[in-house]
Amino acid sequence: RKEVEQDPGPFNVPEGATVAFNCTYSNSASQSFFWYRQDCRKEPKLLMSVYSSGNEDGRFTAQLNRASQYISLLIRDSKLSDSATYLCVVNIQNSGYALNFGKGTSLLVTP
Amino acid sequence: EPEVTQTPSHQVTQMGQEVILRCVPISNHLYFYWYRQILGQKVEFLVSFYNNEISEKSEIFDDQFSVERPDGSNFTLKIRSTKLEDSAMYFCASSGDKDAYNEQFFGPGTRLTVL
Repeated sequence: RKEVEQDPGPFNVPEGATVAFNCTYSNSASQSFFWYRQDCRKEPKLLMSVYSSGNEDGRFTAQLNRASQYISLLIRDSKLSDSATYLCVVNIQNSGYALNFGKGTSLLVTP
Repeated sequence: EPEVTQTPSHQVTQMGQEVILRCVPISNHLYFYWYRQILGQKVEFLVSFYNNEISEKSEIFDDQFSVERPDGSNFTLKIRSTKLEDSAMYFCASSGDKDAYNEQFFGPGTRLTVL
C-alpha cells in the first residue's frame, strides 16, 4: 500500500490565524480523498471530503491537485478547539474501500 | 445520532493469549472495517468485511487474525495468539454503501495491551 505523506508539525498558531496543511500521495490510482481530525487518544472523525474542484465548509477549505498528487487543507480564523491532529486520508478504490492514512499534522492553537 | 460502539475500552492480556474485540456498527450500514493505531504511529487498515465475507485485507492481517459477524449486530476481531507488537488501539468502522465518498464512522477504539 503506497504512502500518504504529511508534514508532522507541530504547527503552533495564535487564535485567529490562518494555517495550511499539505499532503502528497504516491498512488495515482487513488480515487477518494478526505481530511480527518483526531483528538488525542480518540477515534478519527471525518472533517471533510475533498473534491476535484475544491470545496469549502465554513472556515475549512480543501483543495485537490490530481496531476501533482497533492491535497491541502486551509483553516481560517483558527479557534482553540481546532487544536488536534489532522489526518490526510486516501482511498484506492477496490473491493474493500480501505482508507490509507497519513501520519497526521499536529495543530496547536494558542490564546 | 447513531454511533459505532466498541467493547472493551481497554483490554490487557498476556502474550500468547487469545483476545476478541467487539464492535457494534451502525445498524443500517453494510461495510465494516478494522483499523489499528500503534502509539505514535499512523492509523493502519487491517480488514474490510461485506456481505458476510472479507472483501480486502492488509499484510498485517495474517493467520493470527480473524473477523466474524456472529449475529445481525456484532462484528468481532479475534487475535489467536497475541504478540507484544499487537499492542495498539484497535478501531472498528462502518459505512453505508458503495459510494467511495461515503463516510466511514469510527468507534472509540479498544486499547489492547499485550504483556
